[in-house]
Amino acid sequence: DSGVTQTPKHLITATGQRVTLRCSPRSGDLSVYWYQQSLDQGLQFLIQYYNGEERAKGNILERFSAQQFPDLHSELNLSSLELGDSALYFCASSLTVPGDGYTFGSGTRLTVV
Amino acid sequence: AQTVTQSQPEMSVQEAETVTLSCTYDTSENNYYLFWYKQPPSRQMILVIRQEAYKQQNATENRFSVNFQKAAKSFSLKISDSQLGDTAMYFCAGGGADGLTFGKGTHLIIQP
Repeated sequence: DSGVTQTPKHLITATGQRVTLRCSPRSGDLSVYWYQQSLDQGLQFLIQYYNGEERAKGNILERFSAQQFPDLHSELNLSSLELGDSALYFCASSLTVPGDGYTFGSGTRLTVV
Repeated sequence: AQTVTQSQPEMSVQEAETVTLSCTYDTSENNYYLFWYKQPPSRQMILVIRQEAYKQQNATENRFSVNFQKAAKSFSLKISDSQLGDTAMYFCAGGGADGLTFGKGTHLIIQP
């Protein structure tokens, strides 16, 4: 157990739907990062939050949004889902920015049918 | 912002051999860290080794070591006495103010 919890582990949904992925960072970590990994691809940075505030944005689509709550957990919302959104979505956390260590959750595997 | 380049999509070596995975990076930041992550078939991201950019000494973790050439912006990973369990995707990553930027990965196969 890495200390970063992601739920759900698997999600199957239809095109056009909306889903929410949840991440609880490792205890004490203030920063949360979201990544998308498509099949046989590297990890694409989506968005970063630090202590509740958006810190950096990567290649995140307008259909996607995220937030970090006062208890530091984060949610990634994906709407108007398309087949191409099928991927493994990782959350990572770190204490500092830049982090001297990034701990990853086990990911949420999203399948859009 | 950072860029990270891994030029070896796939490598294959025999068990017990030594293998080196290459990585180059580019950044305008002064305060950053470099990492190698392992992703086995389970898809879990596992930290292999970490290097602070301000440290000249190369990091070492058991069979894993890095060759950090800051001027050349090179950060290679050496795996000694390779084992079957080392078979995985290996990602080089740079950590800066904007978070962690990954290379495209090297698929390492250890042959028995």
